[in-house]
Amino acid sequence: GDSVTQMEGPVTLSEEACLTINCTYTATGYPSLFWYVQYPGEGLQLLLKATKADDKGSNKGFEATYRKETTSFHLEKGSVQVSDSAVYFCALLDHNTDKLIFGTGTRLQVFP
Amino acid sequence: EPEVTQTPSHQVTQMGQEVILRCVPISNHLYFYWYRQILGQKVEFLVSFYNNEISEKSEIFDDQFSVERPDGSNFTLKIRSTKLEDSAMYFCASSVGGEKTQYFGPGTRLLVL
Repeated sequence: GDSVTQMEGPVTLSEEACLTINCTYTATGYPSLFWYVQYPGEGLQLLLKATKADDKGSNKGFEATYRKETTSFHLEKGSVQVSDSAVYFCALLDHNTDKLIFGTGTRLQVFP
Repeated sequence: EPEVTQTPSHQVTQMGQEVILRCVPISNHLYFYWYRQILGQKVEFLVSFYNNEISEKSEIFDDQFSVERPDGSNFTLKIRSTKLEDSAMYFCASSVGGEKTQYFGPGTRLLVL
């Protein structure tokens, strides 16, 4: 079945460092891809999405490009802030079942 | 900006008791979902609901679980006889259409003792 694999955390960075969180997927069709973020004590918020190959999703300085050839959707940010500390979830939308399949989540900790 | 809301934020219950988790989806959305996240584990799909019936459900969603849209605004998840392993964060989500972006509520943290 469809699945999502994310890099293990936690990822610990200093403020203004570059961030990459790897995400790869396995799917039989052409899923839409998402990054959700969960700030401490809060629910899941949509961060960005891409619906087809080569699409780039972006929001709040974060970017991810849908790479069909490598089945990847890595999350990147050029300069992280302390306020970016959260758990980041990569997910795909299975269009056959209309359900989201999540990765395990990657905790990001940014220190001043 | 419209958002999905959930009540209660926290619920503590005794094993074997019934619980009802409530959600108010975004008002023009037609598709509704429940997911759960056991502490430290993945977010898992439970059920999807459209046009007053279940569209899809996972193997987790057994006979102890049910969903209902009792009126035009609420969407509920009922667990008839809770087990210790039902302790988790339960998220409601809604979308404007099938295969569209799902927007999540803040979650209900359920603790079964």
